[in-house]
Amino acid sequence: EAQVTQNPRYLITVTGKKLTVTCSQNMNHEYMSWYRQDPGLGLRQIYYSMNVEVTDKGDVPEGYKVSRKEKRNFPLILESPSPNQTSLYFCASSPHAGMLYNEQFFGPGTRLTVL
Amino acid sequence: TQLLEQSPQFLSIQEGENLTVYCNSSSVFSSLQWYRQEPGEGPVLLVTVVTGGEVKKLKRLTFQFGDARKDSSLHITAAQPGDTGLYLCAGGGKTSYDKVIFGPGTSLSVIP
Repeated sequence: EAQVTQNPRYLITVTGKKLTVTCSQNMNHEYMSWYRQDPGLGLRQIYYSMNVEVTDKGDVPEGYKVSRKEKRNFPLILESPSPNQTSLYFCASSPHAGMLYNEQFFGPGTRLTVL
Repeated sequence: TQLLEQSPQFLSIQEGENLTVYCNSSSVFSSLQWYRQEPGEGPVLLVTVVTGGEVKKLKRLTFQFGDARKDSSLHITAAQPGDTGLYLCAGGGKTSYDKVIFGPGTSLSVIP
């Protein structure tokens, strides 16, 4: 089954404790992206990757890191989480970047709480 | 800065009613997408519209892209509880380098 998987689905942690949220896709997509979703703000892009070893900042990259060493995996790293990073996080993948003739496939989400 | 606004923010209706939700911007988009996000899941693409004035139908859902390509609407006929969810619009450009912008969403609840 074609899908994007994220782990963990739920995470409660404390300020300053490094964490990684994994993301994997099995559709051989070139483009992958991380979003955070907050009430009333919609989906805001954190980082994206056009292909292996190519990553770039989205709209809200502060406090986050990513890597793209393999085509299928795109982990999100919070080196020193803070309470303002409490949010619902989505990983997405698509055949290529942009919207035209393209569809983003989203993972099920990771709900992160930073105390 | 391109922004998308959606209205209403929340909508609660009875099963069988019709409804329309709106997506508006002061910017022109080359294409626009509608996604539905069910509770506990990620958004799923419903439709992409690319031509001003374009109308697309997906069973009981009708999507329209404004003539000026600054706005869009989603009309649901005879809403069912399975239509419950967050409806997101997203705007994009012509090239793969153009950013995709998401609106804040309309949360729809259809009561049996």
